[in-house]
Amino acid sequence: DGGITQSPKYLFRKEGQNVTLSCEQNLNHDAMYWYRQDPGQGLRLIYYSQIVNDFQKGDIAEGYSVSREKKESFPLTVTSAQKNPTAFYLCASGGGGETQYFGPGTRLLVL
Amino acid sequence: QKEVEQNSGPLSVPEGAIASLNCTYSDRGSQSFFWYRQYSGKSPELIMFIYSNGDKEDGRFTAQLNKASQYVSLLIRDSQPSDSATYLCAVNLGMTTGTASKLTFGTGTRLQVTL
Repeated sequence: DGGITQSPKYLFRKEGQNVTLSCEQNLNHDAMYWYRQDPGQGLRLIYYSQIVNDFQKGDIAEGYSVSREKKESFPLTVTSAQKNPTAFYLCASGGGGETQYFGPGTRLLVL
Repeated sequence: QKEVEQNSGPLSVPEGAIASLNCTYSDRGSQSFFWYRQYSGKSPELIMFIYSNGDKEDGRFTAQLNKASQYVSLLIRDSQPSDSATYLCAVNLGMTTGTASKLTFGTGTRLQVTL
């Protein structure tokens, strides 16, 4: 099956802890994206990547980091510097056009 | 002024009626426009995209774009209870770099289709 997978579905973070969210796609898409969604708000872009070993900050990159070592994978780390990490995190990919397709999301909660 | 604006709703329509969802955007240079449907607790799924002025139809869905007035609409004909969801409008505000496109999302309109 072609698609985008995200894991875990739910993630709990303790104070001062870094956590990593996984995003994998087998659609052979070059571009990948990370968004954050808070209740009542639109999706906000955290980071995006056009190609392996390249990524750019989005609108709310502070407190987050990413890597793109493989075309299929674009993990997001939520660092302890992100003071309000509770949100629904969405990974998307795009195949060269402007259309983006979303994975199922990871819900991050703070203990 | 927000870059992409939608009425949060809820928009309530009876089953079988036409639902009309609207979105306005601020940048006249915007080139491409997308509608996503998001069920509660789920991720957005693409319904339609439109690039040119006028209408684009796909089954029960019609996207309408008016660049002069800077709005894009989504019409849902013969609305069904399964259409009840939040509809997100997304606009590429002319910020495409290489293979990536930076979309700006509205906050979404919640649609309720009543029996």
